[in-house]
Amino acid sequence: ILNVEQSPQSLHVQEGDSTNFTCSFPSSNFYALHWYRWETAKSPEALFVMTLNGDEKKKGRISATLNTKEGYSYLYIKGSQPEDSATYLCASRPASGGSYIPTFGRGTSLIVHP
Amino acid sequence: GAGVSQTPSNKVTEKGKYVELRCDPISGHTALYWYRQSLGQGPEFLIYFQGTGAADDSGLPNDRFFAVRPEGSVSTLKIQRTERGDSAVYLCASSEAVSGANVLTFGAGSRLTVL
Repeated sequence: ILNVEQSPQSLHVQEGDSTNFTCSFPSSNFYALHWYRWETAKSPEALFVMTLNGDEKKKGRISATLNTKEGYSYLYIKGSQPEDSATYLCASRPASGGSYIPTFGRGTSLIVHP
Repeated sequence: GAGVSQTPSNKVTEKGKYVELRCDPISGHTALYWYRQSLGQGPEFLIYFQGTGAADDSGLPNDRFFAVRPEGSVSTLKIQRTERGDSAVYLCASSEAVSGANVLTFGAGSRLTVL
């Protein structure tokens, strides 16, 4: 079973601040890294899927990078807005094991203050 | 359907009772996953279905937990003799196929509280 760690556990920022958080995962047997956003009372929503070392993905003000050799991914939010407040989950999927079961971290809880 | 639907959204039960949680995945999604999120933790894998069969049930914590997906669509997670430690949000997710790159589409979860 993969061990996926996320930091920080929680983060409070002011509207307009840029922020970033980290997901670390074992680099062996790696296939894909997923990022999800989970707003209160809603379903977790997929943000990015990344598979290749050096991958960078962007969606509006949110972007992510991937380093598979050292086993980490960064999620960046530029100019945070109150609507960005959510828990951000990452999940690592293995390259073998048949089921490709995603293993999730505990998440980073982001609160953006107006 | 348009998304993954989970019912009930909230369930309060007494210790020792039997509970069923239902998941209706996106039409055509062959892979279905159940996860459990306890307070302060990330989603913890329980069981995965490919079609009608449970392809991996290694995450079920003990034999009080069981899940079925008889027609390859709707799935039911069944918990017998509930304990207070079973209190959690139970998440269901589906995806198109078994592929490492396919993201999961989640339901809103069923919050179970065992008194």
